[in-house]
Amino acid sequence: SQQGEEDPQALSIQEGENATMNCSYKTSINNLQWYRQNSGRGLVHLILIRSNEREKHSGRLRVTLDTSKKSSSLLITASRAADTASYFCATGSGYSTLTFGKGTMLLVSP
Amino acid sequence: DTEVTQTPKHLVMGMTNKKSLKCEQHMGHRAMYWYKQKAKKPPELMFVYSYEKLSINESVPSRFSPECPNSSLLNLHLHALQPEDSALYLCASSQGYRGLLGEQFFGPGTRLTVL
Repeated sequence: SQQGEEDPQALSIQEGENATMNCSYKTSINNLQWYRQNSGRGLVHLILIRSNEREKHSGRLRVTLDTSKKSSSLLITASRAADTASYFCATGSGYSTLTFGKGTMLLVSP
Repeated sequence: DTEVTQTPKHLVMGMTNKKSLKCEQHMGHRAMYWYKQKAKKPPELMFVYSYEKLSINESVPSRFSPECPNSSLLNLHLHALQPEDSALYLCASSQGYRGLLGEQFFGPGTRLTVL
């Protein structure tokens, strides 16, 4: 079953702008992960944040986690056309496998 | 080697055909996964193998039959598929499984079309 819900479903921005995507989930988690998928290709892992962490950075990516609100956000700074892709959050909890959200489609125009 | 490979990239088959999808990883990962993904939808978990044993079958129809010949290989045997089975089939692997969930490494997928 899908636990994560991304918001917005689609986002269109210009190159150089920042893109923010949000993810909400329902049950307690061990970690939350973000993945990118270019059209029709496999998923690429971007970043993992554990339940006891509040913020994590990786290059132009910044992820926050608020376990009290059961939500996470992914910020991509200074976006590029190559960032155009679908972005999925995925939650890992207890003895279950990853549960993927519905995804946000990001379009970055030159 | 941090790559998961999948063959074939594309597959077109009739409803009476038997075909197989193959997945390989050489990262020493002990958990391997099959996902099905429809257009504009998230991946849906089908099967999980942990230490070469089937750990999870998400109520997948028997026309899909997984096999894990060894720790590096994962197959998905297809038989008597329906047109609604057309999708992108993704293989993934990870170091840990239950209680040690971490990053999953995905292959590029096999685009399957059932006529």
